[in-house]
Amino acid sequence: EPEVTQTPSHQVTQMGQEVILRCVPISNHLYFYWYRQILGQKVEFLVSFYNNEISEKSEIFDDQFSVERPDGSNFTLKIRSTKLEDSAMYFCAISAAKGTGTEAFFGQGTRLTVV
Amino acid sequence: AQTVTQSQPEMSVQEAETVTLSCTYDTSESDYYLFWYKQPPSRQMILVIRQEAYKQQNATENRFSVNFQKAAKSFSLKISDSQLGDAAMYFCAYERDSNYQLIWGAGTKLIIKP
Repeated sequence: EPEVTQTPSHQVTQMGQEVILRCVPISNHLYFYWYRQILGQKVEFLVSFYNNEISEKSEIFDDQFSVERPDGSNFTLKIRSTKLEDSAMYFCAISAAKGTGTEAFFGQGTRLTVV
Repeated sequence: AQTVTQSQPEMSVQEAETVTLSCTYDTSESDYYLFWYKQPPSRQMILVIRQEAYKQQNATENRFSVNFQKAAKSFSLKISDSQLGDAAMYFCAYERDSNYQLIWGAGTKLIIKP
């Protein structure tokens, strides 16, 4: 059984619309991450989240993006005013610790298509 | 900035044979971690093997082993007795000690020929 489930598996949205991608950790891991993979390109780090606040973010993670864990379980990535270039696979990951080579468990990803 | 390079976009191997996937990285750090992740068609990233940079001994996990050459900044993955279920994208990734993020290579698509 996967440690992390993501919903939806595929989302199509109109340019300019807001989308919310959801991540549900099965176990009580403390560190949360979002990565994205644009088709044909490398997986890129977006943000890490711990203790209800952002721990680290990349230059990709600008004001268009936000994360939260509103109910203490679901971890969400919100993309405001989507652009065509936001089309990508978005992966959520969790881990029990940061750094130290701890295994990160990934969800199956959400494929976002902006049209 | 750290970078990870996988120079083989695609590799193929006959079932039951051995294949080696290459990975090189660039860093000025002395303490870090290296990983190989597998992404099957189900899309979920699955950890295959990890290596701590401070350990000289190469990590092994059953049929999977690495050749870690710290001075050369090389981290190759060897898969022995290849099985059809090994077919997937394989990603090499780097993590700096006490850092949150993984830095990824571009991936190598592994094809297993029956």
